[in-house]
Amino acid sequence: QVQLVESGGGLVKPGGSLRLSCAASGFTFSDYYMSWIRRAPGKGLEWVSYISGSSDYTTYADSVKGRFTISRDNAKNSLYLQMNSLRAEDTAVYHCARGLPNIAVAVDYWGQGTLVTVSS
Amino acid sequence: EIVLTQSPATLSLSPGERATLSCRASQSVGSYLAWYQQRPGQAPRLLIYDASNRATGIAARFSGSGSGTDFTLTISSLEPDDFALYFCQQRANWPTFGQGTKLAIK
Repeated sequence: QVQLVESGGGLVKPGGSLRLSCAASGFTFSDYYMSWIRRAPGKGLEWVSYISGSSDYTTYADSVKGRFTISRDNAKNSLYLQMNSLRAEDTAVYHCARGLPNIAVAVDYWGQGTLVTVSS
Repeated sequence: EIVLTQSPATLSLSPGERATLSCRASQSVGSYLAWYQQRPGQAPRLLIYDASNRATGIAARFSGSGSGTDFTLTISSLEPDDFALYFCQQRANWPTFGQGTKLAIK
């Protein structure tokens, strides 16, 4: 069965960096777009970034552009999010999610999420 | 940014009743709208994509309709497991989500 397991969250100071990972299993990872989606405390969901199966296409929300980098390693069935210059407003639970076949941004499986807290 | 407004914020119904949830977009999204369900402590689950297509494994009591700016998720006869949070999401532009409708037991 499809499983997505995030890791790498934690407490970081403003201006710091963190790298999130998502381990995927139960499907042919390289065939699917993958996304990072976050939910800040008391707020709605926000799409952060997504990447094509072959990594030839990546895109970002304006709120993270220039600070976050999405990547993947298909040999390791893993998705990553490198987060630099972190701000308090980046505090959220970060979920990785799998796109539908041929539809990058309708996601059919989500991980449980990893909490990132940006605070001094 | 396309803003999605869901109504009502909370819907209180009894098992066996019909639920109708609404999602309105600030501009046309065509048919590029999805619905998700999230139970407490669980990851969201895709129910409907492209306005009216049920995702794999989703029961027939869930149906979606609409186009342009007005969309509806209908649950024909509520079961106990259906009481959860529901939110919509568009992909016409940068994907955005609605704030959600909580379906509560009356």
